[in-house]
Amino acid sequence: DAGITQSPRHKVTETGTPVTLRCHQTENHRYMYWYRQDPGHGLRLIHYSYGVKDTDKGEVSDGYSVSRSKTEDFLLTLESATSSQTSVYFCAISERTSGGGTDTQYFGPGTRLTVL
Amino acid sequence: ILNVEQSPQSLHVQEGDSTNFTCSFPSSNFYALHWYRWETAKSPEALFVMTLNGDEKKKGRISATLNTKEGYSYLYIKGSQPEDSATYLCASRVTGNQFYFGTGTSLTVIP
Repeated sequence: DAGITQSPRHKVTETGTPVTLRCHQTENHRYMYWYRQDPGHGLRLIHYSYGVKDTDKGEVSDGYSVSRSKTEDFLLTLESATSSQTSVYFCAISERTSGGGTDTQYFGPGTRLTVL
Repeated sequence: ILNVEQSPQSLHVQEGDSTNFTCSFPSSNFYALHWYRWETAKSPEALFVMTLNGDEKKKGRISATLNTKEGYSYLYIKGSQPEDSATYLCASRVTGNQFYFGTGTSLTVIP
């Protein structure tokens, strides 16, 4: 358990409203990620962070912004939600596996967002 | 954007059968290959991470191999059980710490 929580877990909102999703981790991991999961697309990276105030875009970043003002929190904001942003959003952290080797990712429980 | 492909898209097997599926990925800038198990209504759970050509990993009845030169990995399940029913995702990590996921193979094990 990598101590990752997401809030809210479910949200229904209307087109044009701003929405912020929160990912919180308790174990001081450097890397944090936001993905969206849609049928037929698997998991697609929206944005990721490699430290406080250090973020970069993923493959589907249009319409999303992120902020990381402290290590434990990574926020995903939809400035003006659209119906195409209806999805399940997963936060992840990466953690180096024991005994050396490469990082592996651990995922939060997901947030189901519906934009009407 | 990296094109990671998994096949088959879905698979139904009888309990006790052994099965395998494939993950294909570009060889350029390769850093690591990850396999995840994803049960419905849960979040993906890490199974294996492999980095070197020829790597093999095993966890119980599940094993995986890696060929970085030709850009593929196989996941094997020996003696499938109903609790193995899940979607199996692979992800290719390239230098720069980005992960590119395939769309998964959905496995259903019929009792």
